[in-house]
Amino acid sequence: AQSVTQLDSHVSVSEGTPVLLRCNYSSSYSPSLFWYVQHPNKGLQLLLKYTSAATLVKGINGFEAEFKKSETSFHLTKPSAHMSDAAEYFCVVSDDAGGTSYGKLTFGQGTILTVHP
Amino acid sequence: DVKVTQSSRYLVKRTGEKVFLECVQDMDHENMFWYRQDPGLGLRLIYFSYDVKMKEKGDIPEGYSVSREKKERFSLILESASTNQTSMYLCASSFRGVGSGAQHFGDGTRLSIL
Repeated sequence: AQSVTQLDSHVSVSEGTPVLLRCNYSSSYSPSLFWYVQHPNKGLQLLLKYTSAATLVKGINGFEAEFKKSETSFHLTKPSAHMSDAAEYFCVVSDDAGGTSYGKLTFGQGTILTVHP
Repeated sequence: DVKVTQSSRYLVKRTGEKVFLECVQDMDHENMFWYRQDPGLGLRLIYFSYDVKMKEKGDIPEGYSVSREKKERFSLILESASTNQTSMYLCASSFRGVGSGAQHFGDGTRLSIL
């Protein structure tokens, strides 16, 4: 079984300061991990994905995440927050290890990021 | 640009009605998914389909059914709507196999059952 825990339900930062959204996972397999973002009244958009290549993954809009197997973590970071980053972020684990599955995703509960001017 | 289109953004129905939510994708994806999203609970998988006419139950299938007669279209059916099915419903699609976790989402249907 696989699961994801997002450690903060809300994170508030000032524009121009760093962003850290924390995620821990549990998986029986070597996991595929993702971060998705959801802006208000929109669907989810893929930010970045880890699929057992480089442990530091770069995504869109300046976001990156580091896979740490020893800590079972996949935290999302950005050096400098922008007002447009305000959204809800989901950490996600997939069962598509080995390429034989149907890509079922298990979602964390979400972290709402607020950016203050 | 890739696109997943859900037929309605907002829908209001009455208790006991049969409700159809439609989803169409233009990416020739094998997999299609229906989720519901509720505050504090993240997204929960209702049903998914990995091929035409194939379907698998997700984590919360009770009270729902699905239909996939064509590869590009995946319908969610609420057989007899109840107030606890008021929610945001999201459709997604993906390729099968490695990388299938990269799903593409529609903008959602906000369904209210009165």
